[in-house]
Amino acid sequence: GESVGLHLPTLSVQEGDNSIINCAYSNSASDYFIWYKQESGKGPQFIIDIRSNMDKRQGQRVTVLLNKTVKHLSLQIAATQPGDSAVYFCAERGGTYKYIFGTGTRLKVLA
Amino acid sequence: DGGITQSPKYLFRKEGQNVTLSCEQNLNHDAMYWYRQDPGQGLRLIYYSQIVNDFQKGDIAEGYSVSREKKESFPLTVTSAQKNPTAFYLCASNDPGHPTGNQPQHFGDGTRLSIL
Repeated sequence: GESVGLHLPTLSVQEGDNSIINCAYSNSASDYFIWYKQESGKGPQFIIDIRSNMDKRQGQRVTVLLNKTVKHLSLQIAATQPGDSAVYFCAERGGTYKYIFGTGTRLKVLA
Repeated sequence: DGGITQSPKYLFRKEGQNVTLSCEQNLNHDAMYWYRQDPGQGLRLIYYSQIVNDFQKGDIAEGYSVSREKKESFPLTVTSAQKNPTAFYLCASNDPGHPTGNQPQHFGDGTRLSIL
C-alpha cells in the first residue's frame, strides 16, 4: 500500500542521468541533516548525513550539499538507476530528540 | 541482522477499540521514537523515549500511549480517544550518546492502521 503522499512534487530523470533533489529547512539552529529514501510500503532508509560545520559530503553515488546562508540542502545522485525510484526527504535536527522532516520529493527514473 | 521490527504490517481498528502496535529493536539504542505519516505531510512525532522507563510526549500525543519497560521494546497504543487514527505509523531508534554526536534515526517498515 502507498505509505507516502500521492501529490508530492515529482522529479523525472532518464536512467543514467544525474538527479538533484532539493530541500529547504526551517531552523537556522539545526546542527545535523539527514537524507532518507522511502519506497512504497516501507520505512525510510538512511542515505547520507551532514553536520552543520560542513558544506559538502560524498558517499557512494550520492553527494549532499548544505548552504546555511539560504537554509538549503540538496541531494545529488549520480548515474541514476531504476532502483533509485522512491520518495526522498530530508530531516534536520533541531534538538537532541527533535527532528523535523520534509514532505518529500518523488523520484521517477525513466528507462 | 540488526534492525527494527514493527508488527503487524496492517492493522484494523473497530470503533471504541484500543489497538497496540509493536516495535522491537536489536541495535542497542537508548532512544526510540514513534512517528505518524500522513499523505503530503512530513513525519510527525507522537512520543519518544530517551531511556528505559522514560518517555516524553511529542507534537501529537493526544489519543496515544506508550511504555518502555525494556530497552528493546517501545509499543504504541492507539486509544479510542484518537479520532483520526488512519495513518502509517513508523518506529525509529538511535543512539544520541554516540561519541560522534551524530546518529541518524533507523526506521522500521511501519504499520498501516485503518478503521473498520
